[in-house]
Amino acid sequence: SAVISQKPSRDICQRGTSLTIQCQVDSQVTMMFWYRQQPGQSLTLIATANQGSEATYESGFVIDKFPISRPNLTFSTLTVSNMSPEDSSIYLCSHRRGDTQYFGPGTRLTVL
Amino acid sequence: AQSVTQLGSHVSVSEGALVLLRCNYSSSVPPYLFWYVQYPNQGLQLLLKYTSAATLVKGINGFEAEFKKSETSFHLTKPSAHMSDAAEYFCAVSSAGANSKLTFGKGITLSVRP
Repeated sequence: SAVISQKPSRDICQRGTSLTIQCQVDSQVTMMFWYRQQPGQSLTLIATANQGSEATYESGFVIDKFPISRPNLTFSTLTVSNMSPEDSSIYLCSHRRGDTQYFGPGTRLTVL
Repeated sequence: AQSVTQLGSHVSVSEGALVLLRCNYSSSVPPYLFWYVQYPNQGLQLLLKYTSAATLVKGINGFEAEFKKSETSFHLTKPSAHMSDAAEYFCAVSSAGANSKLTFGKGITLSVRP
């Protein structure tokens, strides 16, 4: 599988600000995914990002809150906008190769 | 729609004891099933997967799982627990097809006592 890296690995942010998380894959992949893992919870899919098209958001997630970019086949960003403490979570980037999804190390976000 | 049920949130075993983590799924189409492990402060690592080949699947670190269609189960086992196995374990389901989505269970925390 392709190796996935994320930046930053963790951050502490103030309420009302925005944070952009970067996801880099070391080889070209078609489909990339962004997940949220709230404290003590499982993973929830935020959106699917394909290169050259608008991201597809899951129910409960909107583009204004979580804008996503996918400028090429190896890179994507997720922005968490106008943050509140409820946005404190781990955000994970993922890609699929064949029938299997692989995950990055995650970005641990704390909003004060 | 697909779903995964992982009963209980925490399992504790002694070092050297059998590890059994339960996973039941619901799917209207033939499922693909996965176990992922999340070590503290890390991302998810694939342990093993079932994608319609052999029903007994062997993964990394001595783990294995058996797909039982009649029981809609995909329980994870390891004969002898190591301290390093302490982590969060997630069962997940998807299906064939480019648009298939991965649905996770709530996860189980495994503790290993010395």
